[in-house]
Amino acid sequence: QVPLQESGPGLVKPSQTLSLTCTVSGGSITSGTYYWSWIRQPAGKGLEWIGRVYTSGSTNFNPSLKSRVTISVDTSKNQFSLELSSVTAADTAVYYCARQTSNWGQPIDYWGQGTLVTVSS
Amino acid sequence: DIQMTQSPSSLSASVGDRVTITCRASQSISTYLNWYQQKPGKAPKLLIYATSSLQSGVPSRFSGGGSGTDFTLTISSLQPEDFATYYCQQSFSTPPWTFGQGTKVEIK
Repeated sequence: QVPLQESGPGLVKPSQTLSLTCTVSGGSITSGTYYWSWIRQPAGKGLEWIGRVYTSGSTNFNPSLKSRVTISVDTSKNQFSLELSSVTAADTAVYYCARQTSNWGQPIDYWGQGTLVTVSS
Repeated sequence: DIQMTQSPSSLSASVGDRVTITCRASQSISTYLNWYQQKPGKAPKLLIYATSSLQSGVPSRFSGGGSGTDFTLTISSLQPEDFATYYCQQSFSTPPWTFGQGTKVEIK
């Protein structure tokens, strides 16, 4: 098992920065070849891949969000983080942290339980 | 971005039915196609990766197939715990990895 747990504010004001952290337990974040990802889901809608970080610090982002997204990793704390700047109501969603493997198909095999972030004044 | 289109968007079926969900990619993605199951209020769960490989612990009534642009997820005999929303996801080439819009499987 590789439990992942998101943490961070559930309410963010418009134009501010959304910040979330994912803590990985049950094993070192550096063991194996995995990408640590963020995915979001607005209420009643589908899934949107935001981006991912490798333990080396290299990142990939969804081009639609790239200008506003930062994803970083802290291996000493077994954590990785998401920052999304200049948020609007359209960024209101459940945010999931997850592990993406390097196997064929690069599936996302473990997910956090998700945390609801609401953008509102 | 590669667009993923699932059909149908929803379906009603009975326990014991054979159910097939289709996912079409806007361009060829080889076999870089994964399937997830999501129940209300829960995170998605990986069912099948690389088109047809069953994730550990997933019942064998789930199977996947296809290649290129057309893919299927089949549940051979629908069980009560299978009523959920199913998503396909492509991971071909470079990001972003994109998901289908989902197929909701409801009880008839």
